[in-house]
Amino acid sequence: GQQVMQIPQYQHVQEGEDFTTYCNSSTTLSNIQWYKQRPGGHPVFLIQLVKSGEVKKQKRLTFQFGEAKKNSSLHITATQTTDVGTYFCAGLGGYNFNKFYFGSGTKLNVKP
Amino acid sequence: SQTIHQWPATLVQPVGSPLSLECTVEGTSNPNLYWYRQAAGRGLQLLFYSVGIGQISSEVPQNLSASRPQDRQFILSSKKLLLSDSGFYLCAWSSGVGVSSPLHFGNGTRLTVT
Repeated sequence: GQQVMQIPQYQHVQEGEDFTTYCNSSTTLSNIQWYKQRPGGHPVFLIQLVKSGEVKKQKRLTFQFGEAKKNSSLHITATQTTDVGTYFCAGLGGYNFNKFYFGSGTKLNVKP
Repeated sequence: SQTIHQWPATLVQPVGSPLSLECTVEGTSNPNLYWYRQAAGRGLQLLFYSVGIGQISSEVPQNLSASRPQDRQFILSSKKLLLSDSGFYLCAWSSGVGVSSPLHFGNGTRLTVT
C-alpha cells in the first residue's frame, strides 16, 4: 500500500532559526497537502501542491513538490514561537482522489 | 459557511464496552467523510472514508465499523473496545470536487479505554 514517510520526527530550534521537514512517498502522488496541528488541537490545512516541481510561499513558509512528485518539503524561515506544532504532509494516490495518506508528522518546538 | 461537529470531546470507556462517536457536517452537501485515529504523539491513520450515503470504505481491519445513515452524518462504532483502541479520533470532511480539496477536521474525541 501507499506509504508516506516524514522526517525528522522532532525538531527543536531556537527562535529565529530555520526549520525544514521532508516528506517522501513510495509511489508517485497526484498531489500533496500540508497541515499544521497545534498542541491539543486538530490538523488545519495549510496548502496544496499539484504540479511537478511546484513551489509555493506563505509568508515565512515555503513549500516544494519534487519533480518526480514523490517528495515534498516545508521550510520555515526565522521560526517564531507561534510556529510550534506538528506539521503533516498528506499525499493523495494516483487513482483515488478521496484517500489522504498522512505522513507521521514532524513536531516542532521553538525556544524563545 | 461549513462547520463540522464531533462529539463527545473526551470519553473514558472500559475494555469490552461498546462505542459510538458521531460527526455531523453543516453547510455543504454530499461531502466526503473520513475517520482518522491518532495515537499519542503519532501520525494520522485513515480508518474509514465515505463518498456517499451507505458507502463506506475500510482501510484497516479491526474491531471498528463506520456508518453513514445520512448525507452529512458519519458514525464510528465498536461492539467491544480493546485497550489498543485508545487514541484521538478525528472526523473530517472534504468537498470531493476537482482534483482534491482540503480536509476539514472536527475538534476530535480523546478516547481512553481502561
